[in-house]
Formats: sequence, structure tokens, C-alpha cells
Amino acid sequence: AQSVAQPEDQVNVAEGNPLTVKCTYSVSGNPYLFWYVQYPNRGLQFLLKYITGDNLVKGSYGFEAEFNKSQTSFHLKKPSALVSDSALYFCAVRERGGTDKLIFGTGTRLQVFP
Amino acid sequence: DAGVIQSPRHEVTEMGQEVTLRCKPISGHNSLFWYRQTMMRGLELLIYFNNNVPIDDSGMPEDRFSAKMPNASFSTLKIQPSEPRDSAVYFCASEGTNYGYTFGSGTRLTVV
Repeated sequence: AQSVAQPEDQVNVAEGNPLTVKCTYSVSGNPYLFWYVQYPNRGLQFLLKYITGDNLVKGSYGFEAEFNKSQTSFHLKKPSALVSDSALYFCAVRERGGTDKLIFGTGTRLQVFP
Repeated sequence: DAGVIQSPRHEVTEMGQEVTLRCKPISGHNSLFWYRQTMMRGLELLIYFNNNVPIDDSGMPEDRFSAKMPNASFSTLKIQPSEPRDSAVYFCASEGTNYGYTFGSGTRLTVV
């Protein structure tokens, strides 16, 4: 069965510092991987995805993520955090060749302090 | 592109009443998903449709929940009778061919 783990409930970082939000996954085959962001009282917004090709994926708002097959990880990163990046971040996985449904992690709340 | 449209944005109802949530997916998207979000359980997939056909409803909590997609531009999620534990934010999402969901803004349901 597919699963996603986000080991940190909350990540705190000072504005201007680099940030990392961790995600590991488990699928029986090769994965499609996604990051979404949720601002208060809003729906989830797509940030980036890994489908194939370069393991380093660049997405919206300066975020990027690196697919690491050996470590089954897809950590979200940004070189310099902004206060406006504070939100809830979800990692999601879909098995290549499997069903259409995305399995989401439990979410990590990112708090960027001025 | 108006995105995925959900209505109502907020719903407050009394226990035992019927509740109907509505979703209009993005035109041309052939998959539609209903999720429920709570603090305790996070994001749960309730049901999804492909080309208007229900594919997987294993996440529907119990018989009080039902979902329909009568055509490509409309879906409903119905709860009857509603209970306080159904209080949550319900999201609809649709997907085309680009391997990514577009979510609606959600319906916040409160059952008192």
C-alpha cells in the first residue's frame, strides 16, 4: 500500500534562512510525487511535482524538491524563507501505473519568523 | 478558468438533517475527488470518479454518506442524517492529464 510520512508536525525557521520540509514515501513501484501548500481557510495549492527526468524539481514561489530513490525521500526546500511562506505543507504520492488517487501525508506546519 | 467551484463555503446544520455539498470541476478534467480534512485525521480521500463513474469509494465512512456525478460538470456529496462528528472541511478536487489535482476552496461543515 502507498503511504507518505512527514515526520515533523512543525518546522520553525527565521526569515532569510534556508528551509527544509521532510517527506518520505512508500510505494510498490515507481512514484509520482507532489507538494501542496495550504494557507488558512483555503484549499490546497499545487507547488511542484516529480514525474520523471531530473531528480531536482523546481516549483512555484522559489520552492524546489529533490527526488532521492535510494532514500525514498522527496524533501521540500527553499534557499531563503519568507514570512509569507508560513503555511501548512503536504507531501503526496501516487504509484506509477496505479490508480488516480493521491495519498497525502499528515502535513507540516511551516512557521517563518521575522 | 474559474477553477474548481464548491458550494456552499460554510454550512451549519442541526444533527439529523440532510446536508448536500456541491462541486463543479474544471472543464475538461476527467477525474474528480472528494476529500475530508479534520485536525484529528488530516486529509482523507472519501471517493473519486473517473469519467463520471465512481472508481473507489472505500473512504466513505458509512452509509450515511453518498456521492454522485450525474455529468462531467457537477458532483454532489450528501450526508443523511448528519452527525456532529461529520463536522470538517470537505474539499473537491479535479484532475486532467497533467498529473496534478486542482482543489476547490472547500466547504466548512458544522453539525450542531
